[in-house]
Amino acid sequence: NAGVTQTPKFQVLKTGQSMTLQCAQDMNHNSMYWYRQDPGMGLRLIYYSASEGTTDKGEVPNGYNVSRLNKREFSLRLESAAPSQTSVYFCASSGSGRDSIQYFGAGTRLSVL
Amino acid sequence: DQQVKQNSPSLSVQEGRISILNCDYTNSMFDYFLWYKKYPAEGPTFLISISSIKDKNEDGRFTVFLNKSAKHLSLHIVPSQPGDSAVYFCAASDGTYKYIFGTGTRLKVLA
Repeated sequence: NAGVTQTPKFQVLKTGQSMTLQCAQDMNHNSMYWYRQDPGMGLRLIYYSASEGTTDKGEVPNGYNVSRLNKREFSLRLESAAPSQTSVYFCASSGSGRDSIQYFGAGTRLSVL
Repeated sequence: DQQVKQNSPSLSVQEGRISILNCDYTNSMFDYFLWYKKYPAEGPTFLISISSIKDKNEDGRFTVFLNKSAKHLSLHIVPSQPGDSAVYFCAASDGTYKYIFGTGTRLKVLA
């Protein structure tokens, strides 16, 4: 039972490089999320997708784009990476209910030099 | 402006004793609250939740208390075990798809 799978687990980029973080869930959830976790800042929402075909900005969307490829997959793209984007990125998914629990992937640790 | 605050970055407790983790919020529209536990190199995992229509929810060793007038919730772990050592995040929702997370409290249970 995989749950939420994120790839890659680790990545080092140079400033200005681009990359896409992949996320897939096998729980048939409608909603998916991307967070970043920084020391002393907790988890901050970057983008979310309430359902297939829709995406919305969270608290810290600048510098990122997302694609809800289908119900299972939600990718996060950094077009031109900056050192400020060094962080741990978590993908999560949840059902559509008002009080649905979010299930998280194991995270992607990204360093931008 | 931090809408969900966990003012204690860390907490150490002896095995077998009670651990109390606190969380304060400012948005009166929040009506659903959750606690997540996070081990190193893993994603957060759901622990327990509470709706604003309740003031207490219990699940085994874990109990969450909600004081709406004070905009305060707490997580009690009794008895604490070494395996409970982790970072605990509280989160709040106003009924939309978005959750606001606190900054986390690192709990260390000493054997």
